[in-house]
Amino acid sequence: QVTLRESGPALVKPTQTLTLTCTFSGFSLSTSGMCVSWIRQPPGKALEWLARIDWDDDKYYSTSLKTRLTISKDTSKNQVVLTMTNMDPVDTATYYCARIRVGDYALVDIWGQGTMVTVSS
Amino acid sequence: EIVLTQSPGTLSLSPGERATLSCRASQSVSSSYLAWYQQKPGQAPRLLIYGASSRATGIPDRFSGSGSGTDFTLTISRLEPEDFAVYYCQQYGSSLTFGQGTRLEIK
Repeated sequence: QVTLRESGPALVKPTQTLTLTCTFSGFSLSTSGMCVSWIRQPPGKALEWLARIDWDDDKYYSTSLKTRLTISKDTSKNQVVLTMTNMDPVDTATYYCARIRVGDYALVDIWGQGTMVTVSS
Repeated sequence: EIVLTQSPGTLSLSPGERATLSCRASQSVSSSYLAWYQQKPGQAPRLLIYGASSRATGIPDRFSGSGSGTDFTLTISRLEPEDFAVYYCQQYGSSLTFGQGTRLEIK
């Protein structure tokens, strides 16, 4: 069974750096075609993709947020870490990590439950 | 960056009716990389359709997807009460983008 779980602080102050960890099981991020993405959703708003890391350690970032984001993986721990610098109240959102399988198709097939992050002083 | 525009923003229908949701891309999208998701309040999105027309595991056959190029459609043939939710289309490339969503509400 494939599962992903997000963890990190529920509250951060403006200008601080947010660090989120995605801990997964049931697959290996060293297997060809496996990727993990971070996606967020402000309250009542649409989904916004943030970043992706692939099995071969290729990394991709949202154009609008790339200067603030860093994604990394620890294959031995089955974890993916996202850092976002200079947090602002507009970054208040539920942050999801999700698995992507890439091959003939690309499927964001398994999502974590999400973690709510509030940015406030 | 490819922009996905969904219409309508809100669709009001009754159980048993047919729902047709549209997703238009700002440039051509590979059908292999177009997907649809359903999201209910307080829950993570659930994959419904991938490759524009293939149902994900466990998805009822009343859900179907079609389209190519820049125009894609999600159809729900006969609405069940549990189908009322928000639906997102999504394309995969070097970046991943979502549409803004269509809210399907009970009339």
